Amino acid sequence: EDQVTQSPEALRLQEGESSSLNCSYTVSGLRGLFWYRQDPGKGPEFLFTLYSAGEEKEKERLKATLTKKESFLHITAPKPEDSATYLCAVQARTGNQFYFGTGTSLTVIP
Amino acid sequence: NAGVMQNPRHLVRRRGQEARLRCSPMKGHSHVYWYRQLPEEGLKFMVYLQKENIIDESGMPKERFSAEFPKEGPSILRIQQVVRGDSAAYFCASSRQGGQDYTFGSGTRLTVV
Repeated sequence: EDQVTQSPEALRLQEGESSSLNCSYTVSGLRGLFWYRQDPGKGPEFLFTLYSAGEEKEKERLKATLTKKESFLHITAPKPEDSATYLCAVQARTGNQFYFGTGTSLTVIP
Repeated sequence: NAGVMQNPRHLVRRRGQEARLRCSPMKGHSHVYWYRQLPEEGLKFMVYLQKENIIDESGMPKERFSAEFPKEGPSILRIQQVVRGDSAAYFCASSRQGGQDYTFGSGTRLTVV
């Protein structure tokens, strides 16, 4: 069965304290792994898509990496505005639906 | 270029009433997906539609829930005889053929009282 597990559930960081969020997945043929940011009361906002093991993508203070079993979202020198819930999802080759993890709630303290 | 439009943003229904949630996909997108997000849970897939066709409804509860995407107009998720457990955020996403440019709307927050 296709599934996604994210850890930790919650993470509190001091401003400038770098860390990583984990997304472990099992999927029958990966089409893509997606990272989204979700702010309270809003829909998921797209961050990255990764398609194959070894791929990396960067955007400002965020960097996403992918292996055959997991993905990491690295946050370098975070700021309070990075506080949000970060969601990981996988899309299988068969079908267009996404399988989401439950997210990591990140709080960055000034 | 407007994104995925969902309305209403907030919907309050009494137990036993019907809830209708609307989703207009992005321009150029022909595929629509509905997800439900219960408190403290991840987004769960419900149904995938193209115009006038249900492609995959494996995540849809068997009773009281239905979805359509007519030739003209928005996609509709209908929940009949709502119960308290239906209270959740319902998100719609749309994409091009093949799943590209997958984009989410801001959601409809349903509260059943």
